[in-house]
Amino acid sequence: DIQMTQSPSTLSASVGDRVTITCRASQTINSWLAWYQQKPGKAPKLLIFKASSLESGVPSRFSGSGSGTEFTLTISSLQPDDFATYYCQQYNSYPRTFGQGTKVEIK
Amino acid sequence: QVQLVESGGGVVQPGGSQRLSCAASGFTFRSYGMNWVRQAPGKGLEWVAFIRSDGSKKYYGDSVTGRFSISRDNSETTLYLQMNSLRAEDTAVYYCAKDPSNYGSGYFDLWGRGTLVTVSS
Repeated sequence: DIQMTQSPSTLSASVGDRVTITCRASQTINSWLAWYQQKPGKAPKLLIFKASSLESGVPSRFSGSGSGTEFTLTISSLQPDDFATYYCQQYNSYPRTFGQGTKVEIK
Repeated sequence: QVQLVESGGGVVQPGGSQRLSCAASGFTFRSYGMNWVRQAPGKGLEWVAFIRSDGSKKYYGDSVTGRFSISRDNSETTLYLQMNSLRAEDTAVYYCAKDPSNYGSGYFDLWGRGTLVTVSS
């Protein structure tokens, strides 16, 4: 199985900050990576697919990059609505696997 | 309205069985692959199972293979998860999640609100 490792596990930031979350795969997954946002008590929401493609309706302050084994999710200017937990997920092979999550907290 | 609504959760004893349902509406259900993803209390996301749009292919996560079975009824626009030999570690919120293609692109572009399954005596 492909292991997905996110860093950091928790991130404290202020409104307006530029935020970067890293996701590493245990083997190459090409660009088959998605990012999700989850708020407490809610279902996850798709933000990015194929490493860098923005899902329809997602604000342009979110962006993704990377290929192979290393990927990043960047929020260019953190907004109050962005405080949440973020997960990466590989879909290069079965079983589909997620990172452990990165919680973005208010500083 | 495009939505997925899960049902069937509850408390079940270890070793018992439970069947979850996911009712789809607002899109052409028969055209898309579907998944189950779960989340244990306070933990991260774990993919459980996938079924192709026509039901011809199914895949399962390592921890549920041989115990869980995914199925669908395209005429009723409903997805199912039959869970047998349940264990305490199966306690989780179970989400159904839509794939953006019929064959299984692999990511999830629409999620339900989830249903909680608690395995406890």
